[in-house]
Amino acid sequence: EDQVTQSPEALRLQEGESSSLNCSYTVSGLRGLFWYRQDPGKGPEFLFTLYSAGEEKEKERLKATLTKKESFLHITAPKPEDSATYLCAVQTPSYGDKIIFGKGTRLHILP
Amino acid sequence: GAGVSQSPSNKVTEKGKDVELRCDPISGHTALYWYRQSLGQGLEFLIYFQGNSAPDKSGLPSDRFSAERTGGSVSTLTIQRTQQEDSAVYLCASSPSIPYEQYFGPGTRLTVT
Repeated sequence: EDQVTQSPEALRLQEGESSSLNCSYTVSGLRGLFWYRQDPGKGPEFLFTLYSAGEEKEKERLKATLTKKESFLHITAPKPEDSATYLCAVQTPSYGDKIIFGKGTRLHILP
Repeated sequence: GAGVSQSPSNKVTEKGKDVELRCDPISGHTALYWYRQSLGQGLEFLIYFQGNSAPDKSGLPSDRFSAERTGGSVSTLTIQRTQQEDSAVYLCASSPSIPYEQYFGPGTRLTVT
């Protein structure tokens, strides 16, 4: 069965303390892996799409990387405004091209 | 440009009543998705429209749930004979195609009393 697992479930960091969030996936064929940010009471906001192993993308303090089995979202010197839930999702033809979401990582950055 | 919009933003209904939730996707986006998100939970896939193809309804939890997409644009999710367990935030997303990213609306918070 296709699976997307995110870890940790929750993470508390001090402002400026860099860390990484993990998204591991087991799917038969990968069309794309997506990272989203979700703030309380809002819909998810698109961050990155990764298509193949070795690919990396950056945006401000965030950098996403992809291997054949997992993706990492690296957060460098985070600020309190980076606090949110980060969602990972994959799209695979073996699942009818529906998008499978992980349960997310709740990130809290302390000032 | 305009993003994905959903209406209403909040809906309170009595158990047993029918409700309709509306989604206006980004113009030109061929793919449209509906999800349900319960408090503190992940996104639960409901239904997926891609162009003129038959929708993928495999995520609908029961036959009380249905959705349509008119003219390849606006979509309506209908829940008949609502139950308390239907209370959740219903999110709509659109995408230019596959495998491109989805753009989400703000959601409709449904409360069944």
